[in-house]
Amino acid sequence: GQNIDQPTEMTATEGAIVQINCTYQTSGFNGLFWYQQHAGEAPTFLSYNVLDGLEEKGRFSSFLSRSKGYSYLLLKELQMKDSASYLCAVMDSNYQLIWGAGTKLIIKP
Amino acid sequence: TAGITQAPTSQILAAGRSMTLRCTQDMRHNAMYWYRQDLGLGLRLIHYSNTAGTTGKGEVPDGYSVSRANTDDFPLTLASAVPSQTSVYFCASSTTGTDTQYFGPGTRLTVL
Repeated sequence: GQNIDQPTEMTATEGAIVQINCTYQTSGFNGLFWYQQHAGEAPTFLSYNVLDGLEEKGRFSSFLSRSKGYSYLLLKELQMKDSASYLCAVMDSNYQLIWGAGTKLIIKP
Repeated sequence: TAGITQAPTSQILAAGRSMTLRCTQDMRHNAMYWYRQDLGLGLRLIHYSNTAGTTGKGEVPDGYSVSRANTDDFPLTLASAVPSQTSVYFCASSTTGTDTQYFGPGTRLTVL
């Protein structure tokens, strides 16, 4: 079966750095996406990786290792507004997104 | 720009009643999707459409139907609602069906 695993909840301090991991087993691979979802709102797109390596976008970076079935989202200089759920999703061989359950990130002052 | 709109924002529905959730996008995206999101679970695909006039079944299609008469609209119909269909429903779209998906604001449905 297809499976995406990510931690249920993480806590970090304002101004610090946090890494959210995602491991996956899917039928085929056509890219990995990270989305941010604030409580009661829609998911919004953060990043996309299809090749191995690091993609940097401001305070957010995303890393992919296809051989290990592993990705992480790195958030730097954490701000209170970064308190949200972070969703990992893999596009499978049918170009359908398989979603993890999300990681709830709590930022403390 | 409006992007993707969904209606209603929320609804309480009696079991056995039918309901149509509406989704409209103004980005001229070819592909559209319906997901449900339940606590502790990832988003699950209900139905999708890669282009106007075509639809396909996702992971959890039972009890739901869709149509795609034109590029902009992708309504989701519950023919006879059951309590297990209580969920938050998100509509999404993407340009080609193989790229980034963008989400509407969601509809919170409660079936009693």
